[in-house]
Amino acid sequence: AQTVTQSQPEMSVQEAETVTLSCTYDTSESDYYLFWYKQPPSRQMILVIRQEAYKQQNATENRFSVNFQKAAKSFSLKISDSQLGDAAMYFCAYRTSRAGNMLTFGGGTRLMVKP
Amino acid sequence: DAGVIQSPRHEVTEMGQEVTLRCKPISGHNSLFWYRQTMMRGLELLIYFNNNVPIDDSGMPEDRFSAKMPNASFSTLKIQPSEPRDSAVYFCASSLKRGGNEQFFGPGTRLTVL
Repeated sequence: AQTVTQSQPEMSVQEAETVTLSCTYDTSESDYYLFWYKQPPSRQMILVIRQEAYKQQNATENRFSVNFQKAAKSFSLKISDSQLGDAAMYFCAYRTSRAGNMLTFGGGTRLMVKP
Repeated sequence: DAGVIQSPRHEVTEMGQEVTLRCKPISGHNSLFWYRQTMMRGLELLIYFNNNVPIDDSGMPEDRFSAKMPNASFSTLKIQPSEPRDSAVYFCASSLKRGGNEQFFGPGTRLTVL
């Protein structure tokens, strides 16, 4: 079974600075998908960024980018120019590419942004 | 599209009562997922459906939990009888079946069992 680990329960960053959230996972598969979801106080789960394991290029979405290290099974999220609205819980998630497409989530990292 | 719709948004009930949570997936999506979120256990998959058929219910905690999807636009998660340890936020999500497709989450139902 796949497992996803987020080793940082809490992180804080100064507004306009850069922060990196860590995620590692364990799998025997070679093809899969990785996601970062954001959960603000409203509880809504919002997709931040997605990475296909077969792609070597790291995904980027505006201020959000990932550092995907397949051999190390690492998938970190970098938030540049942090904004107050970035404060939330962030969840890393794994999804197999085979039939059966449920997500396995990490435990989450609470990000605080200081003005 | 209105997104994934869940009802009720909040539910407070007493131990032993039956609770039914409802979900309407995004039109055209053929996979539906029920998750539970607690402080202790984080986000856990309870069950998921492909084309209205339950595929994996290994995450359902015990026989008190049951889920149905009678058609492509509606699913229920029922707890009978409810217990205080069932208190959690229950999320429904839907997606297209193909592997890399994003799961869209509903707003969740916060269940409190007294």
